[in-house]
Amino acid sequence: KNQVEQSPQSLIILEGKNCTLQCNYTVSPFSNLRWYKQDTGRGPVSLTIMTFSENTKSNGRYTATLDADTKQSSLHITASQLSDSASYICVVTFTGGFKTIFGAGTRLFVKA
Amino acid sequence: KAGVTQTPRYLIKTRGQQVTLSCSPISGHRSVSWYQQTPGQGLQFLFEYFSETQRNKGNFPGRFSGRQFSNSRSEMNVSTLELGDSALYLCASSVMQGTGGSGELFFGEGSRLTVL
Repeated sequence: KNQVEQSPQSLIILEGKNCTLQCNYTVSPFSNLRWYKQDTGRGPVSLTIMTFSENTKSNGRYTATLDADTKQSSLHITASQLSDSASYICVVTFTGGFKTIFGAGTRLFVKA
Repeated sequence: KAGVTQTPRYLIKTRGQQVTLSCSPISGHRSVSWYQQTPGQGLQFLFEYFSETQRNKGNFPGRFSGRQFSNSRSEMNVSTLELGDSALYLCASSVMQGTGGSGELFFGEGSRLTVL
């Protein structure tokens, strides 16, 4: 069964600290993996997108990594800010068939 | 360039009623997909339309339906509303069909439906 699992479910960190969010998937055959940020009550916004051949992609303080062999991805946030408080959603797409599976998300709280 | 526009942003209905939500994609995007988001379930795929044809469908009952017009605008309809239909309904547009390949999803702000 194709699945996308994210951990932790929620996370609290202090402003200025770094954190890493995890995404494990069993999707096959794999097309691409995206990380989205969703502020409360808003629509998700794309942070990064990686294809099978890419193993790292950065967007400012956000860096995503991908290990296609172990089917794991991580999103690293550097020097967190209060505005980073949001849900982070991992999304994996199949090749052919055009199917997309969403992870349940990690809820990040950044405290002053 | 205008983003994805969803209307209405908020609405309240009672059980048994029906509701129609609208989504205007980014200009030039021909694919529109719909999602239901609830606190416990995360984002659940409803269906996708490309060039006025439904291309993919999620595991939702027939009460959930949609359509796409020639200008790529899309509507979704939920009939005979149930309490469990209370959710944030998100629409996303994409250049490519199926959101596969390198296609990126651009989401609207959502329509928050409350069923009483």
